[in-house]
Amino acid sequence: DAGVIQSPRHEVTEMGQEVTLRCKPISGHDYLFWYRQTMMRGLELLIYFNNNVPIDDSGMPEDRFSAKMPNASFSTLKIQPSEPRDSAVYFCASSLGPLMGYTFGSGTRLTVV
Amino acid sequence: AQKVTQAQTEISVVEKEDVTLDCVYETRDTTYYLFWYKQPPSGELVFLIRRNSFDEQNEISGRYSWNFQKSTSSFNFTITASQVVDSAVYFCALSLDQTSYDKVIFGPGTSLSVIP
Repeated sequence: DAGVIQSPRHEVTEMGQEVTLRCKPISGHDYLFWYRQTMMRGLELLIYFNNNVPIDDSGMPEDRFSAKMPNASFSTLKIQPSEPRDSAVYFCASSLGPLMGYTFGSGTRLTVV
Repeated sequence: AQKVTQAQTEISVVEKEDVTLDCVYETRDTTYYLFWYKQPPSGELVFLIRRNSFDEQNEISGRYSWNFQKSTSSFNFTITASQVVDSAVYFCALSLDQTSYDKVIFGPGTSLSVIP
């Protein structure tokens, strides 16, 4: 299995632009998570899906953030419009079920200038 | 409130030394789950271990061992005979709800550097 695949690995964009981060979870994993990692706040759970359905998006910082999972093999995290404070590493992770370890992707390093 | 503390921000050791990474957690729940993850320089986090609150047996996996002590609310991680490939950031995490992921709490991480 190729693991959790995220794209792009790096994204540099100007403030105000729309950014879309992509994730392909491991086949058969029913749970998908989006995390954000910054030096100041560490790892923060933004949203997670179970069987393609968003379960908890309370970690999404504001309405500029949205996430979708149209099918079991693909998810997107969109920021529109982007701001410099959104600069972070965004991780996607998937899991077989509650309390199973997560498998993380390599992350997308987002820089908003 | 639930919290995970990793007091050691950065640790440097010389190759072949043993090193222990500390993790202290806070929760009033009687059922909880503890995890360790490794984040190597490549960036992705790698799951290492899960431990249930009702199982206090220590665990050993090769050069890795974990010491779970409920009396001190600690779940420490020891690497024996460290190697350069062990250089990474290590995260301890706490989960309180076996049916929901929204209560997984990650500690701030400990950055380990193993010097050849």
